[in-house]
Amino acid sequence: KNEVEQSPQNLTAQEGEFITINCSYSVGISALHWLQQHPGGGIVSLFMLSSGKKKHGRLIATINIQEKHSSLHITASHPRDSAVYICAAWRDSNYQLIWGAGTKLIIKP
Amino acid sequence: DAGVIQSPRHEVTEMGQEVTLRCKPISGHDYLFWYRQTMMRGLELLIYFNNNVPIDDSGMPEDRFSAKMPNASFSTLKIQPSEPRDSAVYFCASSRGADEQYFGPGTRLTVT
Repeated sequence: KNEVEQSPQNLTAQEGEFITINCSYSVGISALHWLQQHPGGGIVSLFMLSSGKKKHGRLIATINIQEKHSSLHITASHPRDSAVYICAAWRDSNYQLIWGAGTKLIIKP
Repeated sequence: DAGVIQSPRHEVTEMGQEVTLRCKPISGHDYLFWYRQTMMRGLELLIYFNNNVPIDDSGMPEDRFSAKMPNASFSTLKIQPSEPRDSAVYFCASSRGADEQYFGPGTRLTVT
């Protein structure tokens, strides 16, 4: 079992829908990172979370330390949100970064 | 700031040749990371530095790979000798402490 699990692997939705991508981890972590990779290949850091919730524009990230779970939400989704979203957890025992497999999101107009 | 700068953006080389990838982190960032991305294995952390010192190189695939950070504004990832299976996109990223990492545009390496 992977230490960081993302779901779903693939998600196709219509423009305007509310999107949720989940990330669960099984190890102690110091922080969790959400990244976005566009079809062109560029990687953008979205959020780094160690507790609570962060919001940036239409993107919201939450983390529940007790449940070892984080979610990335996109409100009013748009075709330009189509990308692969990756969560990565910083293991607190050795500051090692553990990656989820990514969620491929396609938003149809 | 210009962000993380990587060079070259594309590299095509023949098997057996030495390849050197370069990275300039964002000024003031004390962590630098090298990643490799392939279709088969996804995104892998190869090595990271803190204040120019390598902290964890457990992701470096084998002795053919080496990374250096001679100063706070420059790092190299070298592959010698290169092999076709090294073909991938190599990303460099930097951060201030455990804050968000900022990724460079990547170097697409093709080894024929």
